[in-house]
Amino acid sequence: EIVLTQSPDFQSVTPKEKVTITCRASQSIGSSLHWYQQKPDQSPKLLIKYASQSISGVPSRFSGSGSGTDFTLTINSLEAEDAAAYYCHQSSSLPWTFGQGTKVEIK
Amino acid sequence: EVQLVESGGGLVQPGGSLRLSCAASGFTFSSYEMNWVRQAPGKGLEWVSYISSSGSTIYYADSVKGRFTISRDNAKNSLYLQMNSLRAEDTAVYYCARAGSTEFDLWGRGTLVTVSS
Repeated sequence: EIVLTQSPDFQSVTPKEKVTITCRASQSIGSSLHWYQQKPDQSPKLLIKYASQSISGVPSRFSGSGSGTDFTLTINSLEAEDAAAYYCHQSSSLPWTFGQGTKVEIK
Repeated sequence: EVQLVESGGGLVQPGGSLRLSCAASGFTFSSYEMNWVRQAPGKGLEWVSYISSSGSTIYYADSVKGRFTISRDNAKNSLYLQMNSLRAEDTAVYYCARAGSTEFDLWGRGTLVTVSS
């Protein structure tokens, strides 16, 4: 099973600040890494697919990068509505797995 | 509107059974692979099961293999999860999720399953 480890687990950030969340895979997964946002009491929402591909309707301040084992989700100029948990997900091999999540709080 | 709506959750005793349903609308359900993903209270996401668009290919997480059965009825635009021999650790919100390619591009609101005596 491929283990995804996100860091940090929690981040408290002021509006307009830049946020960087990393996801490290226990073995190479190419670009089969996706990012989701889950706001309190809501279902997850796809933010980025295949490491860096943007999703229609998702604000351009969200971007992704990386390949192999190391991936990054960047939120440029954080807004109050971005308070949420963020999860990475690998679809390279079964069982598909998620990172443990990173909670972003707005100061 | 493109959406997925889960139903069938509730309180069940350990060892009991429950059948979850997911109704799809606003898109051609029969063209998409589907998944169930769960989230225990206050915890992260766990993939549970996958079914191909035709239903011919199915996968399960080891934690539910032999106890859960995924199925679909393309004529009814519906996805199902039959859960048997339920355990306390199966307590979670269960989401159905559409696979765009291999990413999960559409999620339902979820249905809560509580396994407790």
